[in-house]
Amino acid sequence: GAVVSQHPSWVICKSGTSVKIECRSLDFQATTMFWYRQFPKQSLMLMATSNEGSKATYEQGVEKDKFLINHASLTLSTLTVTSAHPEDSSFYICSASKIPTVQGYFGPGTRLTVL
Amino acid sequence: AQTVTQSQPEMSVQEAETVTLSCTYDTSESDYYLFWYKQPPSRQMILVIRQEAYKQQNATENRFSVNFQKAAKSFSLKISDSQLGDAAMYFCAYISYNTDKLIFGTGTRLQVFP
Repeated sequence: GAVVSQHPSWVICKSGTSVKIECRSLDFQATTMFWYRQFPKQSLMLMATSNEGSKATYEQGVEKDKFLINHASLTLSTLTVTSAHPEDSSFYICSASKIPTVQGYFGPGTRLTVL
Repeated sequence: AQTVTQSQPEMSVQEAETVTLSCTYDTSESDYYLFWYKQPPSRQMILVIRQEAYKQQNATENRFSVNFQKAAKSFSLKISDSQLGDAAMYFCAYISYNTDKLIFGTGTRLQVFP
């Protein structure tokens, strides 16, 4: 158990458009979901933490108006990259945690390319 | 603030040999977990092994084992009988009981040669 999916796996968009990425916990209810960004050959950088029904908590330096996070249910969190620019091109990974385990269950990631 | 350091950007090992990846961390907390994650070319993060800080016994998972030295704040991963499929990025990670945020090291790229 503990499968996390992400959709889409790869998206290409034009500069100035918005892109939504979904993260779903398929067989468990996630108490918390996390969004990471990963640049090539680098580690995962935590962007924000989201809990169902409450506002996301963003890490320092992450623009909350640019990266909108909505945690609509215990199995779904979405990340919307608004007015995307080429510098937003990256690999975005979500993870979900469930009580009582502390480890993160990771989605397969979404590669975003902004032209 | 807690930090995780992986001082080996790249390591290589021959198939069937043993390799050890290093990780050190800094924390003032006494209750926490440590993890090693593997990220193959597919980029899917895969949990390799976990260690609870309160446990003195080193965790093992088949060919993977850790050397957990709490006083030294060291958490190395040993891969025995290395296989070609072990080639990947390996990330050491820390999480405290008081928070739900994983803190990652910078990663070590492991190459396995036949």
